[in-house]
Amino acid sequence: LAKTTQPISMDSYEGQEVNITCSHNNIATNDYITWYQQFPSQGPRFIIQGYKTKVTNEVASLFIPADRKSSTLSLPRVSLSDTAVYSCLVGDWGGGSASKIIFGSGTRLSIRP
Amino acid sequence: GAVVSQHPSRVICKSGTSVKIECRSLDFQATTMFWYRQFPKQSLMLMATSNEGSKATYEQGVEKDKFLINHASLTLSTLTVTSAHPEDSSFYICSASPNRETNTEAFFGQGTRLTVV
Repeated sequence: LAKTTQPISMDSYEGQEVNITCSHNNIATNDYITWYQQFPSQGPRFIIQGYKTKVTNEVASLFIPADRKSSTLSLPRVSLSDTAVYSCLVGDWGGGSASKIIFGSGTRLSIRP
Repeated sequence: GAVVSQHPSRVICKSGTSVKIECRSLDFQATTMFWYRQFPKQSLMLMATSNEGSKATYEQGVEKDKFLINHASLTLSTLTVTSAHPEDSSFYICSASPNRETNTEAFFGQGTRLTVV
C-alpha cells in the first residue's frame, strides 16, 4: 500500500489560494490519487481524483508531476467554510481490486477572516 | 453522484447492549465495503473490509467477535458492536466503491456517532 505524507496543519486567509502537497513515493502503476475533505462529525467528501498531469473541477485543481511521487491539491480563493481536514489517498479501487482505503493523518486547514 | 447512506446517524446505548449500524449504497452495487472508526481529532482507522457473501477481513487489533460484520447483499453491510462499553464510543464510518472495471473514487457514509453510557 502506498503510504502518504502530508503537512499536519496549514493556515491561510479568506480569498487566498491554498496548495496542499502530498508525498507518495511508492505509488503503484495502477494507483490513482484521490483527495477528500472532512468536516467534524461528518464522513469524508470526495474532492478530486487524478492519475497524472493536471485535473480541474469546479472546486479544486490537482497537479501531479510526471514521476507521480507527489501531488498538490490547489484550492482557489478559499473561504471560512473551507476549514476542514484534507486527506490524500492513493490506491486502485476499480475493477474489483478492492484495494484497502487507508487514511493518513490528513492536513488540518484553518482559514481566517 | 453515488451515495452511501448510514443509519443511524447517532445512537446512545447502555453498556453491555449491542448496536447495529447499517451502511447502504443507494444507487450502485458494491462487492466490498469498508468500516472505519474515528476518535476525536484523529484520522479514520480502518477496522475491517466487508465482502459480500463471505467473511469480513479484520485489521490487526480489531476483535472480530466484538465487531460483527454482515454483508448480505451488494448494497448493504452492517456492523454490530456487541456488548458495547464506554471505550467503544466513537464515530463509525463506512465506505464503498462501485463495481466498475475502471478506477473510481470511494464514497463515504455520513457516519454514526456511538455513545455508550
